[in-house]
Order: sequence, then structure tokens, then C-alpha cells
Amino acid sequence: QVQLVQSGAEVRKPGASVKVSCKASGYNFTSYYLHWVRQAPGQGLECVAEVNPRGDKVYNAQRFQGRVTVTRDTSTNTVFLELSSLRSDDTAVYYCVRGTSNWKGIDFWGQGTLVTVSS
Amino acid sequence: DIVLTQTPLSSPVTLGQPASISCRSSQSLVHSDGNTYLSWLQQRPGQPPRLLIYKISNRFSGVPDRFSGSGAGTDFTLKISRVEADDVGIYYCVQASQSPLTFGGGTKVEIE
Repeated sequence: QVQLVQSGAEVRKPGASVKVSCKASGYNFTSYYLHWVRQAPGQGLECVAEVNPRGDKVYNAQRFQGRVTVTRDTSTNTVFLELSSLRSDDTAVYYCVRGTSNWKGIDFWGQGTLVTVSS
Repeated sequence: DIVLTQTPLSSPVTLGQPASISCRSSQSLVHSDGNTYLSWLQQRPGQPPRLLIYKISNRFSGVPDRFSGSGAGTDFTLKISRVEADDVGIYYCVQASQSPLTFGGGTKVEIE
């Protein structure tokens, strides 16, 4: 079955960087889009970045311009989200989400990774 | 970016009674391929969201048939025919007709 397993919670100081991983299994990793979506405490959902099946970042929310890097390791079916120059308002749960193949959208979600930015 | 506006913000419902959530888009969600990529998600407390409905009215695998979706163009509705305790949570609409993905603000379903 499709599974997206993310790395554990992280605590960083303002100005630091964080790298979150998402390991995919149960499907052909290189055939699907992958989205990163975040949810600040008590808030709604926001798209952070999107990568195509080739691993190219095809979307990056303007508010994160220059601060988001998405990479992947096809040998381990893992995608990484790195966010730099962290600010307190980057505190959120970050989810990796699989893009669908038969229609445009998203289907399976990772369990989420809480990133806390605090001095 | 497309803005999705959900109403109501909160929906107190009696067990066994229906619930309805509206999602209105700032522009038509009809894609150039003729499809409308509007989905609904459920987020139970402490859990990640899960997909309920895709392309307006298609139930995803394992979703009970008490959940249904309808609508067209810019106006969409999620209905729960008979609310169960397990349905408590926040419901989001999400569109993928135009990049980037955007989400509605969420509607909290709670039991009265």
C-alpha cells in the first residue's frame, strides 16, 4: 500500500535551516508529483512546494522565495524539503503529499513533521 | 492564486443528522481538459488530512457512501447524510485545476 513516512520533529533557532525527509513506498516513486504542504498551529493548509516526477521543483510559494530547496534520492525513494533562514512563523507541521496520476490533485499524505522555530 | 472560501466556519450537528459544507472559488475550476479538479479532505483531531472526494463527486477508496460531493464551476458542496461520531474534524476543499494547489479555510464539524 502507498505510504509516506516522514522524519521526526525538529526544533531550530531563528535563522537556522531544517531538512525534513519523506520516504515513499508502495508505488513507483519516479512517476508521481510530490507536494509539500504546511499547517501552522491551529491554522489551515498551505502549499509550500511541488516537484514533478523528474524531481524538478515546479512550484515554490512566493513567500518562501529563495528559502526552499527540494531534493530527492531515488535510490531510497526519499524526498527532502530544506527550509533556510527560519523565522518563528515557519513553525508548523510540514506534510508531504503524493500527487495523483489519473486526475489532477493529491491523494496520500505523510504523517507530518512538526518544525518548531524558537529562540 | 485561486481563493477558496468555505462556509460555515463551524457546523454543530446532532448525531444521525445531515451536514452540509459549501466551498466557493474565486474563479471557475473547470480545467482546459474539461474536468473540474475540486477535492474534499477530512482532518480528524491530531491526524493528517485524508482524501474523501475528488473531481467534485468521486469518493476515494474506502470512503463511506454517506459522504457525497456536488457542484460545478465555482460553487461546490460536501454533504454528510447522517453524521457519526467518527466524522468529527475539520473539512477542507482543495483545488488542483490551477497551480498552485490552494485550500479552503476549513469547516469544523462537531457534535452538538
